[in-house]
Amino acid sequence: DVKVTQSSRYLVKRTGEKVFLECVQDMDHENMFWYRQDPGLGLRLIYFSYDVKMKEKGDIPEGYSVSREKKERFSLILESASTNQTSMYLCASSGMGESYNEQFFGPGTRLTVL
Amino acid sequence: DAKTTQPTSMDCAEGRAANLPCNHSTISGNEYVYWYRQIHSQGPQYIIHGLKNNETNEMASLIITEDRKSSTLILPHATLRDTAVYYCIVRGLAAAGNKLTFGGGTRVLVKP
Repeated sequence: DVKVTQSSRYLVKRTGEKVFLECVQDMDHENMFWYRQDPGLGLRLIYFSYDVKMKEKGDIPEGYSVSREKKERFSLILESASTNQTSMYLCASSGMGESYNEQFFGPGTRLTVL
Repeated sequence: DAKTTQPTSMDCAEGRAANLPCNHSTISGNEYVYWYRQIHSQGPQYIIHGLKNNETNEMASLIITEDRKSSTLILPHATLRDTAVYYCIVRGLAAAGNKLTFGGGTRVLVKP
C-alpha cells in the first residue's frame, strides 16, 4: 500500500519558534508538494519540488522554506512561526507524465502557533 | 485550468449508487478530468481520472459525456465511509510547478 507519511498529526508551537514538518513517501515519486488548508480558502500551494535538491515557490512561500536532500523526504520549515501560520499542512507526492496530477496526500499536520 | 461546477451537497442512501455530477464546459482537448475526495480531518484522496473514455477502478466509475463538457462520478455501492467532500478538477498534463486547485466540491452525506 502506497504511503505518504507526515511526522506529526498535531503540533503546538510558540510564536518565534523554528518549526520542522517532515514528509516521507515510499512510492519513488519525483514530485513532492506542501500545501496548507484553511477554512474557506481551500488548498494553497506553499512549495513544491520536482527533484532532489530542487525547489520551486508556490503561491504562498513567504515565511516558509523547504529542503529535499533525499528523493523520499521533503521538509517544510517555518523559520519563525507566527500565529497566522496556524493551519492544516498537507504533503503530497506524484509521479511524472499522466500521473503528475495523481497526487497522493499524507494525513496532514494540524499546527497551532500560540 | 477549466472551471468546474458541482452541486454544493447531496445525500445518498447506504448501499445505493451515488452519482456526482460535474460541469466543465470550457474544458480543452488536452485536459483530463480528475476526482478527489476529502474525508473529514484527513488529506485529500485521489479517486480516478479520465480524458475521453469512461473509466472504472476499484473505487468508482467515471462517465464523461461525448462532448466532454460534463462528467459523473459513480460510487456503485455507497457506504458510510464514503461520506466526504468530492472534488472535480480539470487539468492538463502539467510541466513541473502547477498545483492542484480544489474548488468548493460536493459534500456527500451517506445515510443509513
